[in-house]
Amino acid sequence: EVQLVESGGGLIQPGGSLRLSCAASGLNVSSNYMAWVRQAPGRGLEWVSVIYITGLTYYADSVKGRFTTSRDNSKNTLYLQMDSLRAEDTAVYYCARVPSGDYGDYWGQGTLVTVSS
Amino acid sequence: EIVMTQSPATLSVSPGERATLSCRASQSVSSNLAWYQQKPGQAPRLLIYGASTRATGIPARFSGSGSGTEFTLTISSLQSEDFGVYFCQHYNTWPTWTFGQGTKVEIK
Repeated sequence: EVQLVESGGGLIQPGGSLRLSCAASGLNVSSNYMAWVRQAPGRGLEWVSVIYITGLTYYADSVKGRFTTSRDNSKNTLYLQMDSLRAEDTAVYYCARVPSGDYGDYWGQGTLVTVSS
Repeated sequence: EIVMTQSPATLSVSPGERATLSCRASQSVSSNLAWYQQKPGQAPRLLIYGASTRATGIPARFSGSGSGTEFTLTISSLQSEDFGVYFCQHYNTWPTWTFGQGTKVEIK
């Protein structure tokens, strides 16, 4: 059974940094496309980032230059390093397995990031 | 950027009735479209990909159709557990995705 478990969310001041983790079981993050998607409170879904099997990463314009996606194959874990956080980054962050880089078929339960002073 | 527009914003349907949800793309996305269901406090659940292919374990009452710019998700006989918000998502401009704003399905 595939399970994705996010952690690392919390309250952070504007300009601060936070690292989210997505621990996977039932699949290998190294041999799958993996994505981060966020959802601001009461709002819709926004794609944030994707990491390819090759390690290549892509980002939404809204986070480019501030967020970095990586993975640790030995821990079977995906990460999202978030720097220079802004109030508009406040959201629940989900990780998802992306079969061919296109849509998410397995999703974690999400972790809430609140950026506020 | 391709904009996805869903209608209606809210749909109230009685159990057993048909529910029809629409998703329109601002330019053609071919058949590169997925549908998700999301319940409060839960992650999205993949229902349909490739515009019309049901994901694993999705009941046959859910069906998707359309191509190009016009898409439809149909729930043939609404069950009480089908309440929630439904999102469409295109993946035509790899690797970026865009979601619609969602349609809330309420049980009448």
